[in-house]
Amino acid sequence: QVQLQESGPGLVKASETLSLTCTVSGGSISGYYWSWVRQPPGKALEWLGHIYYTGRTNYNPSLKSRVSISEDTSKNQFSLRLNSVTAADTAVYYCARSGHIYGADALDIWGQGTMVTVS
Amino acid sequence: QSVLTQPPSASGTPGQRVTISCSGSSSNIGSNTVEWYLQFPGTAPKLLIYSNNQRPSGVPDRFSGSKSGTSASLAISGLQSEDEAGYYCAAWDDSLKSYVFGTGTKVSVL
Repeated sequence: QVQLQESGPGLVKASETLSLTCTVSGGSISGYYWSWVRQPPGKALEWLGHIYYTGRTNYNPSLKSRVSISEDTSKNQFSLRLNSVTAADTAVYYCARSGHIYGADALDIWGQGTMVTVS
Repeated sequence: QSVLTQPPSASGTPGQRVTISCSGSSSNIGSNTVEWYLQFPGTAPKLLIYSNNQRPSGVPDRFSGSKSGTSASLAISGLQSEDEAGYYCAAWDDSLKSYVFGTGTKVSVL
């Protein structure tokens, strides 16, 4: 069974960079899209961007200048960097997979999420 | 900032049928397939419907999806207490080149 696990600091200072890593276990990064999704407390889900296993990326245009997603296939991990954070970036951050038999966009496997607070 | 609009809440009594709408535009729902996700408080979302009306294995057939033009709907028939949760629609947006989620709907079982 493929599982995803987010890791990284739970507290980030305003104006600094938020960095999270998602470790993929039980399967390979190859052949899929890997996304980051966040959810501010009490608010809706927001897609931040994804990376295809080939390295191609797409980002939410509302964050495009601040966000980057990279991968390390040797470690079966992919990472999120969000620059110049503010209190509005406080949220639960999820990593997720798509591109399986359910179609290129359907996010079929999710990590448990990690809460990041910007102080 | 969500580009897909859902009603904030929906409710029904056990056994009833509840429908949730999702309104978009020609660049998202009008051009691409719709997914629906279920989220219980404090947990990660779960894929409920893909390709407008398909259920992943393990999802009960009480859940059904449909799409017409630039709108989509999720129906829950035979409502059960364990269906109390948040529901989100989503689709790829060709103009934004981004995956967009709906505003979310909280379903309550009365």
